[in-house]
Amino acid sequence: DAKTTQPTSMDCAEGRAANLPCNHSTISGNEYVYWYRQIHSQGPQYIIHGLKNNETNEMASLIITEDRKSSTLILPHATLRDTAVYYCIVRVASNSGYALNFGKGTSLLVTP
Amino acid sequence: DSGVTQTPKHLITATGQRVTLRCSPRSGDLSVYWYQQSLDQGLQFLIQYYNGEERAKGNILERFSAQQFPDLHSELNLSSLELGDSALYFCASSEGGTPNEQFFGPGTRLTVL
Repeated sequence: DAKTTQPTSMDCAEGRAANLPCNHSTISGNEYVYWYRQIHSQGPQYIIHGLKNNETNEMASLIITEDRKSSTLILPHATLRDTAVYYCIVRVASNSGYALNFGKGTSLLVTP
Repeated sequence: DSGVTQTPKHLITATGQRVTLRCSPRSGDLSVYWYQQSLDQGLQFLIQYYNGEERAKGNILERFSAQQFPDLHSELNLSSLELGDSALYFCASSEGGTPNEQFFGPGTRLTVL
């Protein structure tokens, strides 16, 4: 699996967009970028994933650079409930599933 | 609510003992994963089962074992417990297929005294 690099922590004001970067310069062509988050001591929660194209769902947007060496998770209007650790994971997906290597993630603090 | 259930929520036991953690995946999910989260090691993958068969192994100790039953629920057995085994243990499930998301349960907090 490709290695990912994320900032240790970030702050964001409530109501503003939170942009969480992730570097994955050694990503290979068949590896997906996944984002999960973990709110204190709860089970991790899936946010979004992508391969080449930008993706958007009800929770967030994922922007992947053209060379696929980095990506940004965007929470368009951050709320206090978005305070969590965000994990960027690069992984080949297989028909039988895949194990996640969570790394250390980015601790996002949303402030009033 | 992810649809994944784990029992018990909390477990307190003594060193040297053996415990069993149980996980019921979401209806229809064939894959079950076990993860351990401790303060110093972060969230680590232990083992994956797919439709009853072991599919992948991570950093799982020999004192730990798991199985997935015909009804697809899974159990994680931890034996000869040590203080360092105190952690949150999460179970996740996924449909299988590619790509797919994992749904995590609320976890079992194990405290070894």
